[in-house]
Amino acid sequence: DAGVTQSPTHLIKTRGQQVTLRCSPKSGHDTVSWYQQALGQGPQFIFQYYEEEERQRGNFPDRFSGHQFPNYSSELNVNALLLGDSALYLCASSLQFGETQYFGPGTRLLVL
Amino acid sequence: SQQGEEDPQALSIQEGENATMNCSYKTSINNLQWYRQNSGRGLVHLILIRSNEREKHSGRLRVTLDTSKKSSSLLITASRAADTASYFCATDEKGGDDKIIFGKGTRLHILP
Repeated sequence: DAGVTQSPTHLIKTRGQQVTLRCSPKSGHDTVSWYQQALGQGPQFIFQYYEEEERQRGNFPDRFSGHQFPNYSSELNVNALLLGDSALYLCASSLQFGETQYFGPGTRLLVL
Repeated sequence: SQQGEEDPQALSIQEGENATMNCSYKTSINNLQWYRQNSGRGLVHLILIRSNEREKHSGRLRVTLDTSKKSSSLLITASRAADTASYFCATDEKGGDDKIIFGKGTRLHILP
């Protein structure tokens, strides 16, 4: 049974560029949440997708957008990258919001 | 913004000793979860405790929840070197604005 997978594992971009991160949820899970974790901090909730729609959103600008596909996989897109977007981006899947979330290994994004 | 605040921020103990971490939060919750993170990798779910529960055990882990004080504690008994990690509490806020909010974490170091 595959757990949550994310790609790529590492990514280097320059300011102003755009990036797309991908996540495949744990088998049987239909809800995907995305988090940003800066160094030394706890994960910050970006948004959550359920039934291909954004269900909840944290305090992140519109430069952060996402998508969920019919197979429940998800993408996180960040436009006009800033240096401050450098972080570990974590994807988590669950059966229901608020229940146990299973996290992927994360994508480490460095913006130069 | 951070909902949960873990205390202490960092903790070093000898192998075999017990480790206690605390989490305080601000609003009413549906449940509280504890996660472990090794060296900036993905988070691993440890325990979920619901708002109507007061204590829960899982192996060497014991979690308590005091909703009147809006606080929780995580006790790891007979610590091992492999317990070295960052530990985060995450709360599922009760009400219309359902979001999972993580604290900043406690960095636990087990000394050999």
